[in-house]
Amino acid sequence: AQTVTQSQPEMSVQEAETVTLSCTYDTSENNYYLFWYKQPPSRQMILVIRQEAYKQQNATENRFSVNFQKAAKSFSLKISDSQLGDTAMYFCAFIHNAGNMLTFGGGTRLMVKP
Amino acid sequence: EAGVTQFPSHSVIEKGQTVTLRCDPISGHDNLYWYRRVMGKEIKFLLHFVKESKQDESGMPNNRFLAERTGGTYSTLKVQPAELEDSGVYFCASSQGRGRGEETQYFGPGTRLLVL
Repeated sequence: AQTVTQSQPEMSVQEAETVTLSCTYDTSENNYYLFWYKQPPSRQMILVIRQEAYKQQNATENRFSVNFQKAAKSFSLKISDSQLGDTAMYFCAFIHNAGNMLTFGGGTRLMVKP
Repeated sequence: EAGVTQFPSHSVIEKGQTVTLRCDPISGHDNLYWYRRVMGKEIKFLLHFVKESKQDESGMPNNRFLAERTGGTYSTLKVQPAELEDSGVYFCASSQGRGRGEETQYFGPGTRLLVL
């Protein structure tokens, strides 16, 4: 069974600075996908970024980028130039290539301070 | 294009009562998923519909939970009778395709259920 661990229940960062959220996972599979989802206080959970395990290149979406270390089973999210709107719960998630269910970490609550 | 919608946004009921949650997926998405996050825990998978058929209900906690997707459009999740440990946030998600890992699941805002 897959497990996903987010070791930082809460974090804070000053506006315009950079913050990194940690995520580790455990799986015996070789083909899978990893995701970061964001749930702002308004509660709609949205996809931030996704990474295919077969790709060595780290995914990037504007100010959001990941550091994917497959051998270490690590998938951290870096947010550059943090904005107040980045305040949210961030969930790391895993899914096997042929699977249908996402496995989530416990979440990291990020507060961006002005 | 409208996203995944869920109703109600909040529900407060007493132990032993019945509650029905509704999810409307993104139009054209054959795959519909239910997840829930009980207090302080991870978001957990409940079940997966492909159109009107239950593809996987391995995450359903017990027979007090009944999910339906008549006609392959919206879905309902009924809890009867509700227990205190059912409190949490119930998320619905949908995706296109065959319901496999490479497809992105789009989530609704969730329904916050509180059982007193």
